[in-house]
Amino acid sequence: DAGITQSPRHKVTETGTPVTLRCHQTENHRYMYWYRQDPGHGLRLIHYSYGVKDTDKGEVSDGYSVSRSKTEDFLLTLESATSSQTSVYFCAIKGQASSGGYTFGSGTRLTVV
Amino acid sequence: ELKVEQNPLFLSMQEGKNYTIYCNYSTTSDRLYWYRQDPGKSLESLFVLLSNGAVKQEGRLMASLDTKARLSTLHITAAVHDLSATYFCAEGETSGSRLTFGEGTQLTVNP
Repeated sequence: DAGITQSPRHKVTETGTPVTLRCHQTENHRYMYWYRQDPGHGLRLIHYSYGVKDTDKGEVSDGYSVSRSKTEDFLLTLESATSSQTSVYFCAIKGQASSGGYTFGSGTRLTVV
Repeated sequence: ELKVEQNPLFLSMQEGKNYTIYCNYSTTSDRLYWYRQDPGKSLESLFVLLSNGAVKQEGRLMASLDTKARLSTLHITAAVHDLSATYFCAEGETSGSRLTFGEGTQLTVNP
């Protein structure tokens, strides 16, 4: 859908383990984003990227890091997962307004036990 | 810091009725987005509003933007059950590229 895929779709991991989520796009967009969605909070921005190796923090970046070594891939890493990071994670790309502006991936449901 | 407030957060309405969801935002941005999300699914783009006074309509949904009042509305006309979903508004930065979301409005349309 619109050339953006997330993997994995579901993951259960233990507290303290590292976790990496992947977002892949096929449309050569410059901007990519990671959001988390939790009840009562809508979607909150974790990190975003405005080009290869160019990233910046969002409003809830603590405990997360990102990397973008290629235009098409944006990785989100939880260095040491905690239960508070149990959430649904969405990746997004910024396209043209005429095509809806921002397009979201299918999401990754992460559970930290 | 951008702040977006939607109300109501929960809306239960009968089929055939009209209602409006309100989205207040904190800056002078002229970029406002509306999304729909079904349970367990991703976000689907509904409307992109890019100027003061912008009005867009698709089926039973109509969105508008008043940048002076920092207010966007999503009006539902003659609701049907298929419109049951969560609706989000999001403010786009004027001089940047970040998107800030409201909490969402969970709409339930009852027969």
